Amino acid sequence: TQLLEQSPQFLSIQEGENLTVYCNSSSVFSSLQWYRQEPGEGPVLLVTVVTGGEVKKLKRLTFQFGDARKDSSLHITAAQPGDTGLYLCAGEGPNSGGSNYKLTFGKGTLLTVNP
Amino acid sequence: GAVVSQHPSRVICKSGTSVKIECRSLDFQATTMFWYRQFPKQSLMLMATSNEGSKATYEQGVEKDKFLINHASLTLSTLTVTSAHPEDSSFYICSATSGEETQYFGPGTRLLVL
Repeated sequence: TQLLEQSPQFLSIQEGENLTVYCNSSSVFSSLQWYRQEPGEGPVLLVTVVTGGEVKKLKRLTFQFGDARKDSSLHITAAQPGDTGLYLCAGEGPNSGGSNYKLTFGKGTLLTVNP
Repeated sequence: GAVVSQHPSRVICKSGTSVKIECRSLDFQATTMFWYRQFPKQSLMLMATSNEGSKATYEQGVEKDKFLINHASLTLSTLTVTSAHPEDSSFYICSATSGEETQYFGPGTRLLVL
């Protein structure tokens, strides 16, 4: 069962454009994380959002956690070719409990920023 | 920050052989390690959760006799793909946590079974 739906799955844009990636679920997560992964490498954590309604900014990246902690979005302003990569959202839980902090990953959004 | 390494980074093997992949936490003690598999242009799929000193917990559909996991110390977990077949070719990624929320991911191991 796919618990986290990410959209769009593929996105190809020109340098300078803005974009938004969505991560939606019917389940509540205790926290949600966004990762960026380059080909042939492991994912790198960008941000963790914990509180419903939380907004975090990382330079040109803005992350938002839905009020109900079921969805999240990643907005990139003035995209650059260096932003190219696979963006993954991952929710902790919803049934993990305990101390395992198991993550459920979305399918990912493959972003290509053309110069 | 915390560093997780994997060895080897790439491995090619013949069908029917076994391959061992190591995952090490270099500067912290990992009470829990996770093993993921990722097919091309797809997301990470959790295979199993490994706690130091105890048996791994496998996700539904993952054969525990085929993917042997050993977490013998707080800094090392190994994944052995037994009797590998071409359909086992994939990118295997481990992550480790010291009990906090953050999982630190390794760089991955590319397995190609001929």
